[in-house]
Amino acid sequence: QQQVKQSPQSLIVQKGGIPIINCAYENTAFDYFPWYQQFPGKGPALLIAIRPDVSEKKEGRFTISFNKSAKQFSLHIMDSQPGDSATYFCAACSGSARQLTFGSGTQLTVLP
Amino acid sequence: DVKVTQSSRYLVKRTGEKVFLECVQDMDHENMFWYRQDPGLGLRLIYFSYDVKMKEKGDIPEGYSVSREKKERFSLILESASTNQTSMYLCASNWNRAEAFFGQGTRLTVV
Repeated sequence: QQQVKQSPQSLIVQKGGIPIINCAYENTAFDYFPWYQQFPGKGPALLIAIRPDVSEKKEGRFTISFNKSAKQFSLHIMDSQPGDSATYFCAACSGSARQLTFGSGTQLTVLP
Repeated sequence: DVKVTQSSRYLVKRTGEKVFLECVQDMDHENMFWYRQDPGLGLRLIYFSYDVKMKEKGDIPEGYSVSREKKERFSLILESASTNQTSMYLCASNWNRAEAFFGQGTRLTVV
């Protein structure tokens, strides 16, 4: 069962564009929502994370927007660069659980 | 620098072989995880462990087992490898609900 649905599966933007990746969840017990970035040949690495007491979090060019009532959250990459080309995974975790539930991933390509 | 190390980057095994994937972390983390990564399916949890000798099934445990005899080491075992277990396997570790650190992955091919 897929508890975190991620879209799109792939995304191509021009340099400077603002790619947006969306995730939706079902489990209302989830209270920690990280995004992971994975480059080819590497394991995923934490990019940015949010908890549901805020609606937005920014770290550099990366922003998470969170809509608790809609059970959705999204990642925006401002002024995207070719070096941002990677696979991005959203994830979620609940207070009672130790493990993360991941989305299916989005392969982002930023064209020069 | 924190580190999760997987013993092999690439493995090729024959159908029916018993396969061991090893993972070691140097951060004294309580929790360790094994995921498999397949295109379009994301990361799916196979097993995790929250203490030495403790293990919990994830979403897709069938055909796998695990061992955690020491806090820093978590092994994934394929009892009898099959072609549908060809995949990228990722080990991770963390403290409770904190950042998970991943290894570089083991790409396993079963022929």
